[in-house]
Amino acid sequence: QKEVEQDPGPLSVPEGAIVSLNCTYSNSAFQYFMWYRQYSRKGPELLMYTYSSGNKEDGRFTAQVDKSSKYISLFIRDSQPSDSATYLCAPGNKLVFGAGTILRVKS
Amino acid sequence: GAVVSQHPSWVICKSGTSVKIECRSLDFQATTMFWYRQFPKQSLMLMATSNEGSKATYEQGVEKDKFLINHASLTLSTLTVTSAHPEDSSFYICSAEGLLQETQYFGPGTRLLVL
Repeated sequence: QKEVEQDPGPLSVPEGAIVSLNCTYSNSAFQYFMWYRQYSRKGPELLMYTYSSGNKEDGRFTAQVDKSSKYISLFIRDSQPSDSATYLCAPGNKLVFGAGTILRVKS
Repeated sequence: GAVVSQHPSWVICKSGTSVKIECRSLDFQATTMFWYRQFPKQSLMLMATSNEGSKATYEQGVEKDKFLINHASLTLSTLTVTSAHPEDSSFYICSAEGLLQETQYFGPGTRLLVL
């Protein structure tokens, strides 16, 4: 079993839609969770990190963690074409990344 | 915010030559930096962990003699791909560990093409 599982997509949505990106992990010892955004041919950019179960909001982005299910989500409200990128989750161990979900927001 | 730079952003070289890639933390000191390789449509693969003033720790399957890492200061780590071959062509990304140590900040990446 991989340490981190992500649906590779691509996920295509119309502009303004609410986007849900998900990730599962196997190691219950993970204590903190991060989401990165990576544009094509660029290095990843840290979007959000959180330490605990529950929700953390930052502008249009909300990170949700369910430690009991080992499931983390990133919600994007009012999605924009500029949100089109690959989103990588990194649960706990900063050296382990999901394969990434490709998001395409169409105008 | 924490900024990490990489140089060069892209490089094309002939097979058999060596290529050096620099990674710098511009506005913070990083005792630990990481080097990743990313092939098209794949995730980041950690190659090695670079600690200032000590030898790098390589991941299994990564040849330490081929990928030389030097972390000479708190703001600079270098990766040298020695005797590069076409199969080394990839996107190389470095990152620097932040003060909180739970997060890392990535450089923009270096695209290497070996002909």
